[in-house]
Amino acid sequence: DQQVKQNSPSLSVQEGRISILNCDYTNSMFDYFLWYKKYPAEGPTFLISISSIKDKNEDGRFTVFLNKSAKHLSLHIVPSQPGDSAVYFCAASATYKLTFGKGTLLTVNP
Amino acid sequence: DTGVSQNPRHKITKRGQNVTFRCDPISEHNRLYWYRQTLGQGPEFLTYFQNEAQLEKSRLLSDRFSAERPKGSFSTLEIQRTEQGDSAMYLCASSESQGTGFNEQYFGPGTRLTVT
Repeated sequence: DQQVKQNSPSLSVQEGRISILNCDYTNSMFDYFLWYKKYPAEGPTFLISISSIKDKNEDGRFTVFLNKSAKHLSLHIVPSQPGDSAVYFCAASATYKLTFGKGTLLTVNP
Repeated sequence: DTGVSQNPRHKITKRGQNVTFRCDPISEHNRLYWYRQTLGQGPEFLTYFQNEAQLEKSRLLSDRFSAERPKGSFSTLEIQRTEQGDSAMYLCASSESQGTGFNEQYFGPGTRLTVT
């Protein structure tokens, strides 16, 4: 029973365009959501988070949107850069432990 | 602040051997977590410490696994009688515990275990 789902295994975008990564969850007890970026052979790097009491959080080129009624969140990266190429994980928490999706491989082409 | 560190980065062992991994969290963080990641999956929660107290263990953590955080600083994860199914990336994370809100977890580089 996967409580956090990232249905797109991969995404390819052109440099300078917008990247949109999507995530769905099933557990209505989740109240905090995070996005992590991971390069091969490294641990996940924290990017941005959002509390369930908000619907948007922005940090530089990264914006996370939360739609609680749809149990859906998305990460927007604008403008996308080749260095953004990595696996992006969506994670959710109801207490202190994180439940992760399987990740989406983002490739930003120059 | 040097971030979360983990040692060793890679470990190859034969089935049936015991292995131990170490995690050093960010110095002011009193919460420490262990996760395991297998190929094509996201990290999965294994266990969690608040200072030296182990507060939760996942059912993924069989009795062959044991974790300690003796002085509330570094932590060790030991796997006894390793099996090929234990091959994975073992990730450590740490966080603060300020206030009642969630505190973001910061991950180390992981230890990749290969059981032959």
